Parts: sequence; structure tokens; C-alpha cells
Amino acid sequence: DAMVIQNPRYQVTQFGKPVTLSCSQTLNHNVMYWYQQKSSQAPKLLFHYYDKDFNNEADTPDNFQSRRPNTSFCFLDIRSPGLGDAAMYLCATSRGLAGAYEQYFGPGTRLTVT
Amino acid sequence: SQELEQSPQSLIVQEGKNLTINCTSSKTLYGLYWYKQKYGEGLIFLMMLQKGGEEKSHEKITAKLDEKKQQSSLHITASQPSHAGIYLCGAALNTGNQFYFGTGTSLTVIP
Repeated sequence: DAMVIQNPRYQVTQFGKPVTLSCSQTLNHNVMYWYQQKSSQAPKLLFHYYDKDFNNEADTPDNFQSRRPNTSFCFLDIRSPGLGDAAMYLCATSRGLAGAYEQYFGPGTRLTVT
Repeated sequence: SQELEQSPQSLIVQEGKNLTINCTSSKTLYGLYWYKQKYGEGLIFLMMLQKGGEEKSHEKITAKLDEKKQQSSLHITASQPSHAGIYLCGAALNTGNQFYFGTGTSLTVIP
């Protein structure tokens, strides 16, 4: 049974055209994360929600925003995608803080910017 | 600079051989995780280590966290083609919620 679901799996957008990536979970976890993974690199944390509290990493560009309307769903909005934003975007969830609980990852959304 | 360094960067082994991957931090690790990633897919959780000296095993994979909690090793015994993929260590490096992944180790197992 799928626990962390990401839609779509592949997304193509045009340079500068806003795009939204979706993540949902059936685990009822408190924390949801968004990571960016570029080719041959490790995933890099963009931000996370602990319940409704939003935590942005210091070096995450303003171009990236997130929404969590309820426990199950979390969205990643890229306001004006640039060519450098092409990457795999991974959503993850955990019961609590990352140092104490494992994260469960979705299959990822591969974003292409043309 | 990279908070978590992994070595080697890539590994090619013959099926049946043992191998070890290392993950080193310059800071104390508050929870060390090992994940496996197949190309173009999400990460699969393997093991979590929290206490210095802790060792865990699952099937043919064993992970250890050293006493000083600044290095971890992942050991695969009698490797199989199904072990192929990218192995990533991940850790919280302080008591907050900042989480970092290591540089990754690409494993190829030749039948």
C-alpha cells in the first residue's frame, strides 16, 4: 500500500511558468519534508512542516514556497521555474523530528524545465 | 563544504563479495540513518542508529555507529545484484531538525 504519494511522477514546465507539485500521506505523520535532488547529488532539504508550523532552510530560494492545508497533503510551489530548478523533488514524512524518527519517502517527481 | 562525507564514492564488486561503505561527520551525529535509492526513485529506509557503539543488522546488511558518534559504516555480506543502488547516509547534526544527507555511494554488483 502506498504510504507517501507524489503526483505527478513527471512534470514538464516552461521557463517562468508556475508549477505545483503534490504530496499526500496515509501515515498520519506530523512532519512533512520537501527535498530537491539534482543529478548525481544527495537530496537537499528545502523546508518542512511540523504540523502547521513551517520551517524554511536558510538557503532555500524565495522562488520555492510550500502549503500544507491539512495533515495529509503538502504542496511545493515553484513560482518562476528556472533551468536550474530542473531536478527530482522528493517528499518525505516522519512522526517527529528527523534526528529521532526515520523518514518515509515518496517516489519523487522529476521536474523538467524547458 | 559537505556535512557528511561518504566513501567510497562508487564501488563495483563481484557477486558474493563483502563490502563496506563509510559515512563521516565532523560534528556529533544525533541519529544516523542509512537509505538506499534506485536510480530515479525515492529513498528506502534501511536502518537507524542513535547510540554510540550501536550495531544493527537486517538480512545481509549491518550498520554500526562508532563510540564517538561521528562515523558510521554499512557492511554488506555476500553481495547480490539486488543490493545494487545508491546508498545514502543521513543525519541530524544538532538537536534541531536540520537533516543532511551524505554524498552517496553508488554500488554495482556484477553477477
